[in-house]
Amino acid sequence: GAGVSQTPSNKVTEKGKYVELRCDPISGHTALYWYRQSLGQGPEFLIYFQGTGAADDSGLPNDRFFAVRPEGSVSTLKIQRTERGDSAVYLCASSLSGTLGDEQFFGPGTRLTVL
Amino acid sequence: GENVEQHPSTLSVQEGDSAVIKCTYSDSASNYFPWYKQELGKRPQLIIDIRSNVGEKKDQRIAVTLNKTAKHFSLHITETQPEDSAVYFCAARPGGSYIPTFGRGTSLIVHP
Repeated sequence: GAGVSQTPSNKVTEKGKYVELRCDPISGHTALYWYRQSLGQGPEFLIYFQGTGAADDSGLPNDRFFAVRPEGSVSTLKIQRTERGDSAVYLCASSLSGTLGDEQFFGPGTRLTVL
Repeated sequence: GENVEQHPSTLSVQEGDSAVIKCTYSDSASNYFPWYKQELGKRPQLIIDIRSNVGEKKDQRIAVTLNKTAKHFSLHITETQPEDSAVYFCAARPGGSYIPTFGRGTSLIVHP
């Protein structure tokens, strides 16, 4: 079946603008994760959803970042007043239930560039 | 929170040699340790994982070992091939948490 998909694949924006990044998880996966990956670094956790609710948003760097998953499937990561330091690849992953040993399947990422 | 250190940052080997990547973790409650392979411009993909009740796990040319006492785990790749060239990430996940912490990655280069 289809894997995790993310759109857009690339996003270039200007400092101060608002952006939305979309993630389509694998159908039936209740757990959804957002990560940020800077060059030469491992994925850095941002937020975790179990169903429609954000079970853990402790990784969001500040209140400019927000994410939703209103129907428990597609999720949108929203970044307000973008800054150059927000430039990174934003990865989404999903797993069947989030329990121990559940494999996380990653999407291809959205490369965000803030000019 | 959990802290994962990964070494080396870059590893260059000749085709056919073995490669070993090491990670240490700080949280003794961590009980799940996945390894991911990320080819250039591609998404991370799980290649092997190990739970804390197991000391070693092998899958063809890939093996992972875990030393809970020392809080370190390693990835071993034997008979390396050029297509093994990629960035490898280790991760550790504490029991009761849904969130893995990733290492900074090791860039493995296999020369033909």
